[in-house]
Amino acid sequence: EVQLVQSGAEVKKPGESLKISCKGSGYSFFGYWIVWVRQMPGKGLEWMGSIYPDNSNTRYSPSFQGQVTMSADKSVSTAYLQWSSLKASDTAMYYCARLSCSSPTCSLPTHWFDPWGQGTQVTVSS
Amino acid sequence: QSVLTQPPSVSGAPGQRVTISCTGSSSNIGAGYDVHWYQQLPGTAPKLLIYGVTNRPSGVPDRFSGSKSGSSASLAISGLQAEDEANYYCQSYDSSLSGWVFGGGTKLTAL
Repeated sequence: EVQLVQSGAEVKKPGESLKISCKGSGYSFFGYWIVWVRQMPGKGLEWMGSIYPDNSNTRYSPSFQGQVTMSADKSVSTAYLQWSSLKASDTAMYYCARLSCSSPTCSLPTHWFDPWGQGTQVTVSS
Repeated sequence: QSVLTQPPSVSGAPGQRVTISCTGSSSNIGAGYDVHWYQQLPGTAPKLLIYGVTNRPSGVPDRFSGSKSGSSASLAISGLQAEDEANYYCQSYDSSLSGWVFGGGTKLTAL
């Protein structure tokens, strides 16, 4: 079974750093893009960016460029999302998902997000 | 303000057919990019419902169907059931942003 399992909920203070994780199993982790999605309280889904674990190639949404850092360690099939200085406005649920397509030759824009991790709740409060 | 526009809410009686619209522009749906739909049940992660405009993953009932015309797409749910109460999101790729965009989400209520 293809599965993504995320790290547990975090409660942090403004200005602190944080790194959350997303571990893949049931497939060749290095060969599929992983995306990160933010969902603020009571709000919709926002694509933050994507990373290709095999070579750590990253693409960030303009809204999140410079605000977060994505990384991956293919030796442990895990992708990471990190902040160097959290703000209260970073309070949200964060999901990882795998970019999937029906053919190995699909272009990137054709992909969809499946499966999803269970989410990591990040709360930033003084 | 989401790049793709969805109605905030729709409702229907059990057994009825409801549709959820998703309106984009010439840089996303209108440019020919595929539309995908996700279902998010309360307190859970989103789940893929429809991919590539019309395709259902294994396990998704055939009560769910998707379509696309021009710069818009629609999700139809026939034979509405109480368990269908959830938030539904459309998604596509946007060439102006060079990334994926979502609709703002539609809350479906079974009356």
